[in-house]
Amino acid sequence: NAGVTQTPKFQVLKTGQSMTLQCAQDMNHEYMSWYRQDPGMGLRLIHYSVGAGITDQGEVPNGYNVSRSTTEDFPLRLLSAAPSQTSVYFCASRPVSGHLGNEQFFGPGTRLTVL
Amino acid sequence: GENVEQHPSTLSVQEGDSAVIKCTYSDSASNYFPWYKQELGKRPQLIIDIRSNVGEKKDQRIAVTLNKTAKHFSLHITETQPEDSAVYFCAPNRATDSWGKLQFGAGTQVVVTP
Repeated sequence: NAGVTQTPKFQVLKTGQSMTLQCAQDMNHEYMSWYRQDPGMGLRLIHYSVGAGITDQGEVPNGYNVSRSTTEDFPLRLLSAAPSQTSVYFCASRPVSGHLGNEQFFGPGTRLTVL
Repeated sequence: GENVEQHPSTLSVQEGDSAVIKCTYSDSASNYFPWYKQELGKRPQLIIDIRSNVGEKKDQRIAVTLNKTAKHFSLHITETQPEDSAVYFCAPNRATDSWGKLQFGAGTQVVVTP
């Protein structure tokens, strides 16, 4: 299993540009989520999904869109990049149905800089 | 939603000493209590977890203890080594709630000095 994969690893954008961060998992996990991690800070939840076609907002959703058309993929779209979105972005997944307490698996992260 | 606090925010220990990090939560329905470790430049990874029907769990040099009445749980690292230097996050949640958001504490930076 590849686990959770993210592309790209690094990205530099100019203010106002849009882009999509890709995330995929091959573990058939229902739950997927996106976090951002700013220097010296914790993980803040942006959006999450409990299955194909179902998404919801986390703590810091403004400026980001998500969709979940398949179990495997959960892309994160930046609509109009701003310097405040400079951060490291982690995608994560975990199983939901029928489990009590599940490990969340993280992707390797995407380091985004907005100039 | 869950209100999670971690203390301390930074912790410096001498190699060989013990380290303890405390996580306080607000949701009395939380029933799953994991700790994640994030080394510099890496992704967070689960190191130990505990369920609400257990008071303590050990795995070699790390242990987690749970006090459900007081709504806090703690990570204990004994005989610390330089490779224990990392940021540690707690993430208490309702594991059986399919809609449950998984939110993390702010993290504790542990530095182990030789």
